[in-house]
Amino acid sequence: QVHLQESGPGLVKPSETLSLTCSVSGDSLRNDYWSWVRQPPGKGLEWIGYIYHSGTTSYNPSLKSRLTLSIDMSNNQFSLRLTSVTSADTARYYCARLVRYDFDQWGQGILVAVSS
Amino acid sequence: EIVLTQSPGTLSLSPGDRATLSCRASQTVSSSYLAWYQQRPGQAPRLLIYGASNRATGIPDRFSGSGSGTDFTLTISRLEPEDFAVYYCQQYDTSPPKYIFGQGTKLDI
Repeated sequence: QVHLQESGPGLVKPSETLSLTCSVSGDSLRNDYWSWVRQPPGKGLEWIGYIYHSGTTSYNPSLKSRLTLSIDMSNNQFSLRLTSVTSADTARYYCARLVRYDFDQWGQGILVAVSS
Repeated sequence: EIVLTQSPGTLSLSPGDRATLSCRASQTVSSSYLAWYQQRPGQAPRLLIYGASNRATGIPDRFSGSGSGTDFTLTISRLEPEDFAVYYCQQYDTSPPKYIFGQGTKLDI
């Protein structure tokens, strides 16, 4: 049974950096691609990016200039770093396993508010 | 860039009814790249269908997916109370490489 769990601060100030970590159990990060998806309150889903165990990444073009994904194989975790945040970055952030071309396992999500 | 348009925005039905949800792509896409998700209130999305017509592990057979080209459909044959949720279609766009979601269809009682 694969389990994903997001962690990080629930509040970030405008212009600062949002950092989140996803801890994975029940699967090795070597086996698949690992992704982030976000959902603003009351709105739809937006793909953020994915990372492979080799360090290969793919980012949503709309976020690419502010986004860095990284992976920690020793702790079976992967992370997201989004710089220069604004209120538009307020959302629930999900980590998910990417297989084929779809997301088959999801974390419960973490709500991050951008506010001073 | 591909745009996915889901219809209707809201579908009001009753338990036992048949639900038909539509997802239309702005250009022809590969069926291999089309997936459907269910999101219940307060929960993470759950993969229902991948490759346009393949049920994910543990998904009841009342859920089925079909379609090709630009038009895809999710059908729920007999609605159960737990099926009332928001449904999203999702596509992989090769140019530029990205994953795209439709805006969602809310299935209401």
